[in-house]
Amino acid sequence: QKEVEQDPGPLSVPEGAIVSLNCTYSNSAFQYFMWYRQYSRKGPELLMYTYSSGNKEDGRFTAQVDKSSKYISLFIRDSQPSDSATYLCAMSEINTGTASKLTFGTGTRLQVTL
Amino acid sequence: EPEVTQTPSHQVTQMGQEVILRCVPISNHLYFYWYRQILGQKVEFLVSFYNNEISEKSEIFDDQFSVERPDGSNFTLKIRSTKLEDSAMYFCARQQGSNYNSPLHFGNGTRLTVT
Repeated sequence: QKEVEQDPGPLSVPEGAIVSLNCTYSNSAFQYFMWYRQYSRKGPELLMYTYSSGNKEDGRFTAQVDKSSKYISLFIRDSQPSDSATYLCAMSEINTGTASKLTFGTGTRLQVTL
Repeated sequence: EPEVTQTPSHQVTQMGQEVILRCVPISNHLYFYWYRQILGQKVEFLVSFYNNEISEKSEIFDDQFSVERPDGSNFTLKIRSTKLEDSAMYFCARQQGSNYNSPLHFGNGTRLTVT
């Protein structure tokens, strides 16, 4: 079983739709959870960051973490064509020295159409 | 705009040659990281660097790789004798804040092509 699993997509939605992106993980030591957005030939751009179960909202983005199920989600409301990108989940353990050793999912490619 | 600048944006080299990839953080930070993304694959951790020393490295980071901060500003990744399988995007990253637990910000990467 892979440490972090993420559906690669592609996921195509119409403009204005609510998008749900998900990752599952197997390592119960993961305590920090991040979502990055990556445009073609660019570096990952940090969108959301959380270390607790529950929801965290920032504008049109909501990150959700369920540690008991080892499942995280990113919701995008009112999706725009500019949201078209690959979305990467990433996570890390809490121990000293490993907090920034991120384990990434494969990324989900999102296409928002007009 | 990313908060770290990486040069060059694209490097083409022949197998067996040495390459040096550079990262210039805009503000002064102590923690730096290199990650790699082979085309179509996931982003992978290579090495973390704190206070001029390697703090952790992955199994990918073998003797062919080295990192240093030669002038106290630039942060470099050197691959001594490149192999075809080293072709990838290489990303430098820094912490968001001074705390090692804060999330990472990535540069736009150097695309390395080994022929």
